Amino acid sequence: EVQLVESGGLVVQPGGSLRLSCAASGFKYDDYTMHWVRQPPGKGLEWVSLITWSGDTTEYGDSVKGRFIVSRDNNRNFLHLQMNNLLTEDTAFYYCAKAASSLYGGIDSWGRGTLVTVSS
Amino acid sequence: EIVLTQSPEFQSVTPKEKVTITCRASQNIGSNLHWYQQKPDQSPKLLFKYASQSNSGVPSRFSGSGSGTDFTLTISSLEPEDAATYYCLQTRILPFAFGPGTKVDIK
Repeated sequence: EVQLVESGGLVVQPGGSLRLSCAASGFKYDDYTMHWVRQPPGKGLEWVSLITWSGDTTEYGDSVKGRFIVSRDNNRNFLHLQMNNLLTEDTAFYYCAKAASSLYGGIDSWGRGTLVTVSS
Repeated sequence: EIVLTQSPEFQSVTPKEKVTITCRASQNIGSNLHWYQQKPDQSPKLLFKYASQSNSGVPSRFSGSGSGTDFTLTISSLEPEDAATYYCLQTRILPFAFGPGTKVDIK
């Protein structure tokens, strides 16, 4: 069974930084593209970032490009999201998610999310 | 950048009634459109990938169709446990994007 467990969500001040992590298990982690998706409390889903199985390719949504960095550790089955220069509008639940098959194949599994609050 | 629109935004439905949710893309995305169900305080769950391929365990009352720019999620006979928000996701062109969601409420 696929398990994705996020951690690292905190209250942080505007302009600050935070690193989220996701522990993956139950599947061959280094075979799959991984995503980050976020959801402000009470609002809709926003695609944030992806990283391919090897880590060679990363992509970002326009609202986080240049501020967030996605990375992965295939030896320890971890996914990370380094979030810099945080804005109040970055406040959201952040979900770690597994690609269904290929990079363009959608998402088939989600973690439970970790809450990031950006507030002074 | 591709923009997805969903209609309706909200629907209040009587059990056993048919529900139709549409997702429209601003450009041709082929069949790279996926549907998710999210219940309150839960993570989203995959219903259909590539517009019409149902995920394991999805009840047969759910169906997905469409290609190009127009897609449909249908619940043939609504059950109380189907109360949720439904989202579409396009993965044809980066950056990927979700639709704004359709909330389905039980009357």
